[in-house]
Amino acid sequence: KNEVEQSPQNLTAQEGEFITINCSYSVGISALHWLQQHPGGGIVSLFMLSSGKKKHGRLIATINIQEKHSSLHITASHPRDSAVYICAVGANFGNEKLTFGTGTRLTIIP
Amino acid sequence: EAQVTQNPRYLITVTGKKLTVTCSQNMNHEYMSWYRQDPGLGLRQIYYSMNVEVTDKGDVPEGYKVSRKEKRNFPLILESPSPNQTSLYFCASSWGSFYNEQFFGPGTRLTVL
Repeated sequence: KNEVEQSPQNLTAQEGEFITINCSYSVGISALHWLQQHPGGGIVSLFMLSSGKKKHGRLIATINIQEKHSSLHITASHPRDSAVYICAVGANFGNEKLTFGTGTRLTIIP
Repeated sequence: EAQVTQNPRYLITVTGKKLTVTCSQNMNHEYMSWYRQDPGLGLRQIYYSMNVEVTDKGDVPEGYKVSRKEKRNFPLILESPSPNQTSLYFCASSWGSFYNEQFFGPGTRLTVL
């Protein structure tokens, strides 16, 4: 079982819909990242969370440390949001490794 | 422009022929790492480096070597490539450690025949 599980694996929605992508992990963590991988393959960092909530434009990321769960929300979704969204965690037991989920492929239909 | 560069971007090679994929960053970042991405498996960390001369294994280090002789460079070496190392490789860097925003290179698509 992967230490980091994302759901759903694939998501198709209409433009304007509110999107939620979930990430659950099994180990204690020091940091959680949300990444976006464009159709062309490039990867950009969206958020780093260690607690609470962060917002950037139409994107909101939350984390619940006790429940070992994080969500990425997209408000007023747009076709340009179509990408793969990847969750990654850094565990809090002495090493500096990142472990990744397998990603959520989001497609926004105009 | 702040960036992470990788070379080559595409490489087709044959089993056993040593190769090096270079990674360089111009942001004075301490933390650098290499990942491979395979369908259905996602990104997996190969090696990481906390600073010059400090490297450690990630989750899939077998068949790979790295070195960090300068802060800006973190080459990935495949001394005897095999077909199961066919993958998309990404280098990334950040300030300090994995706590901070990760900056990714454009990726290197490697095919080992």
